[in-house]
Amino acid sequence: GESVGLHLPTLSVQEGDNSIINCAYSNSASDYFIWYKQESGKGPQFIIDIRSNMDKRQGQRVTVLLNKTVKHLSLQIAATQPGDSAVYFCAESRSGSARQLTFGSGTQLTVLP
Amino acid sequence: DTGVSQDPRHKITKRGQNVTFRCDPISEHNRLYWYRQTLGQGPEFLTYFQNEAQLEKSRLLSDRFSAERPKGSFSTLEIQRTEQGDSAMYLCASSRLSGGSEAQYFGPGTRLLVL
Repeated sequence: GESVGLHLPTLSVQEGDNSIINCAYSNSASDYFIWYKQESGKGPQFIIDIRSNMDKRQGQRVTVLLNKTVKHLSLQIAATQPGDSAVYFCAESRSGSARQLTFGSGTQLTVLP
Repeated sequence: DTGVSQDPRHKITKRGQNVTFRCDPISEHNRLYWYRQTLGQGPEFLTYFQNEAQLEKSRLLSDRFSAERPKGSFSTLEIQRTEQGDSAMYLCASSRLSGGSEAQYFGPGTRLLVL
């Protein structure tokens, strides 16, 4: 079946270091991917998205890399800050559907002082 | 604040009661989604509206669940005869197709506890 999974359930990084959060997906028909940040008690917050016709996209302090060959997605956060501590989800969707998102179970990022 | 609002933010009810949640999407967004999220898991898709038409429903959406979007703006999600297994966070998201971005923006959610 379809699944979107994350390699590591938890990640701890020192403040100021770069963070890399990984995600594997299994549906080769997926053509659109999103990263969300979710803080406790809040809804998911959009970070960055990427289409399957791209392999890299950059935002403010974040970069998403897509490797379609191995169905792998990663989120890189530069100069991680305490406010980056949260659960990060990757999600995928495919054209021809309602564009509903299929989420993984999330990675808890903790930024250490 | 994404611009998507949900009401109420919290709801405690007794098993067997009916509950209704409201979502107000970003005003120019014609697509509206409902998701359910349980503790430690990612959100799961429930249903999708394009304007006022409900175009897709998940198998998770039993016949006790009904959703409407009567004027293509706000939406309601009703759960009839609630069960303890319905306890979860109910999230609403909206989006539009614009310049290739179909990003869904989520509201703060309604946390439901069924006793």
